[in-house]
Amino acid sequence: DAGVIQSPRHEVTEMGQEVTLRCKPISGHNSLFWYRQTMMRGLELLIYFNNNVPIDDSGMPEDRFSAKMPNASFSTLKIQPSEPRDSAVYFCASGLNTEAFFGQGTRLTVV
Amino acid sequence: DQQVKQNSPSLSVQEGRISILNCDYTNSMFDYFLWYKKYPAEGPTFLISISSIKDKNEDGRFTVFLNKSAKHLSLHIVPSQPGDSAVYFCAASVYNNNDMRFGAGTRLTVKP
Repeated sequence: DAGVIQSPRHEVTEMGQEVTLRCKPISGHNSLFWYRQTMMRGLELLIYFNNNVPIDDSGMPEDRFSAKMPNASFSTLKIQPSEPRDSAVYFCASGLNTEAFFGQGTRLTVV
Repeated sequence: DQQVKQNSPSLSVQEGRISILNCDYTNSMFDYFLWYKKYPAEGPTFLISISSIKDKNEDGRFTVFLNKSAKHLSLHIVPSQPGDSAVYFCAASVYNNNDMRFGAGTRLTVKP
C-alpha cells in the first residue's frame, strides 16, 4: 500500500479563494482524520470520520471549513473563502482503531 | 482546549546521552497514549505506544513511561543519536474511540 496520499503537496492561493485539499486513506482503514499543524498549537484535530461518517467536527475553526468523505477511499477538506490565517500544513491520517498513519501533508499558503 | 500538553518546545542533548521528552494530559478518559516522530516535509510517523494498564513500554532505545495519577507520560531515548533529531508529538486517545489528540510537539536536537 502506498500509504495515505494527500494532494496537492503545496498550495498557494489568494485570500478569498476557495481551497480544496484531498486525501486518499489506506485501504481497509475505518477512520480518517484531518489535522492542522501550527507552531503555536502543534497538531490540531479538525474533524474525524469513522466508516465515512463525521463523528466529531468540533475542531473545525469556522464555517468556512467543511469536510466530506463520500466514500471509504476519498476525503476532502474545503476552505471557502480562504484567509491568510489559514496558512498552515494540513495533514490527513487514516487508522484502524488505534494507531493513525499520516500523509505527507499539504502546505497551504494564503496570501 | 489543549487536552494534551507538551510544555517544552525544544530540547537539545549530546549524542550518546539520554533524551527525555515530557507530556501531560487533562482528560482522565484517555487510556491509550502514543508518540509520533516527525521529520521536516514529512507526515508524523508512529514511534511507540502505551496502554493505561501498563506503566512502561520499551522498544529498543525508546521507552515510554506512564504515570496515570499525575496524568503524565514521558519518552526516553537512550542513547540518543543525531538521526533522532526531529519533532516529537505526544498523542492520547480513548482506546478504539479514534479521537486522537496531539500535543504541540517538542523539537529534539541531538548534537554529534
